[in-house]
Amino acid sequence: QKEVEQNSGPLSVPEGAIASLNCTYSDRGSQSFFWYRQYSGKSPELIMFIYSNGDKEDGRFTAQLNKASQYVSLLIRDSQPSDSATYLCAVNRDNYGQNFVFGPGTRLSVLP
Amino acid sequence: NAGVTQTPKFQVLKTGQSMTLQCAQDMNHNSMYWYRQDPGMGLRLIYYSASEGTTDKGEVPNGYNVSRLNKREFSLRLESAAPSQTSVYFCASSEAPHNEQFFGPGTRLTVL
Repeated sequence: QKEVEQNSGPLSVPEGAIASLNCTYSDRGSQSFFWYRQYSGKSPELIMFIYSNGDKEDGRFTAQLNKASQYVSLLIRDSQPSDSATYLCAVNRDNYGQNFVFGPGTRLSVLP
Repeated sequence: NAGVTQTPKFQVLKTGQSMTLQCAQDMNHNSMYWYRQDPGMGLRLIYYSASEGTTDKGEVPNGYNVSRLNKREFSLRLESAAPSQTSVYFCASSEAPHNEQFFGPGTRLTVL
């Protein structure tokens, strides 16, 4: 079992819809969870992070964490074509940087 | 604030040549990282530095060396480049308590 799993996609949603991106992780002791956006040919850009069970909202983005199910998701409301990118889930297994593990990413396509 | 900078942006090497990739950050972060990103493999940690003067191996350290020159700078050296080292290299930095990582723009390296 891979440490951090994501559907590779592509996930296609129409403009204005809610995009839902999912991530599961295997290490039950993981401490914090991150979502990055990566445009083609560019570097990963931090969207947000979450470390407590529940929801965390930042503008059009909501991260959801369920530690019991070892599941973290990212919702993008009112999706725009500019949201089309690969979304990387990352998990920090403790609070030290070297135990950061990235998932393979989900490619999102928002159709005008 | 420039954030994390990397040089060069692109490089072509012949097998057996050596080179150093440079990285600098101006966010006063203690931790710095070198990753490589390959299609289908995601981001993989090469080396990590928790603070000035310390370095640790990551998931794929073979064929690389690093130097944490000071708090700002972290360089990655390929002593004898191989075609398997063709990749995109990203430098990142982070700070406690959650160690969310911030990435540089990347170096696209081709080894012929």
